[in-house]
Amino acid sequence: QQQVKQSPQSLIVQKGGISIINCAYENTAFDYFPWYQQFPGKGPALLIAIRPDVSEKKEGRFTISFNKSAKQFSLHIMDSQPGDSATYFCAASIFQGAQKLVFGQGTRLTINP
Amino acid sequence: DTEVTQTPKHLVMGMTNKKSLKCEQHMGHRAMYWYKQKAKKPPELMFVYSYEKLSINESVPSRFSPECPNSSLLNLHLHALQPEDSALYLCASSQDLQGRTQYFGPGTRLLVL
Repeated sequence: QQQVKQSPQSLIVQKGGISIINCAYENTAFDYFPWYQQFPGKGPALLIAIRPDVSEKKEGRFTISFNKSAKQFSLHIMDSQPGDSATYFCAASIFQGAQKLVFGQGTRLTINP
Repeated sequence: DTEVTQTPKHLVMGMTNKKSLKCEQHMGHRAMYWYKQKAKKPPELMFVYSYEKLSINESVPSRFSPECPNSSLLNLHLHALQPEDSALYLCASSQDLQGRTQYFGPGTRLLVL
């Protein structure tokens, strides 16, 4: 019940296309859903995050869609660029003595020029 | 400034060595975290410090010893590590234990021979 399932494991998109990564969770105690972007050899960087009382959040080319009833959320990258090629992790936060992040397994995104 | 710095960037050590990883943040955050990340996997939480006191130890072997000398610094002392401990060690910070946004450093790439 503590898991966050992420798909796909890898994704190849043409430049200018839309990249879509999906995540699903079971535990309704999760109260914050961030997405992290990680380039090889670097630490994860917070990309965008959403709270469960909001159905959509947009920041530039990045949009989170959140479906509370289905316990699913997704990241959409519009007009995907080669510089977006990275590994993306969805996460869900739950307070257990501290705000703990439960990460999905990651999606390796490649944008072909 | 949302920067968390970590030194060294790379570290190679033998199984009998003692070494330390360092992390620093100047965002005034009061919670700091150590994570371990194996290749192609998400980060795994190891320790959480709040106001310089250890709040959470995720059943980490005693060969990893954390220390928080002050609110800006976090160390991870390493002793008698095993080759399977080779990984990227990430430090993160948040405003406090309730802070949902965690900011990650670039990590220390550790190789145990």
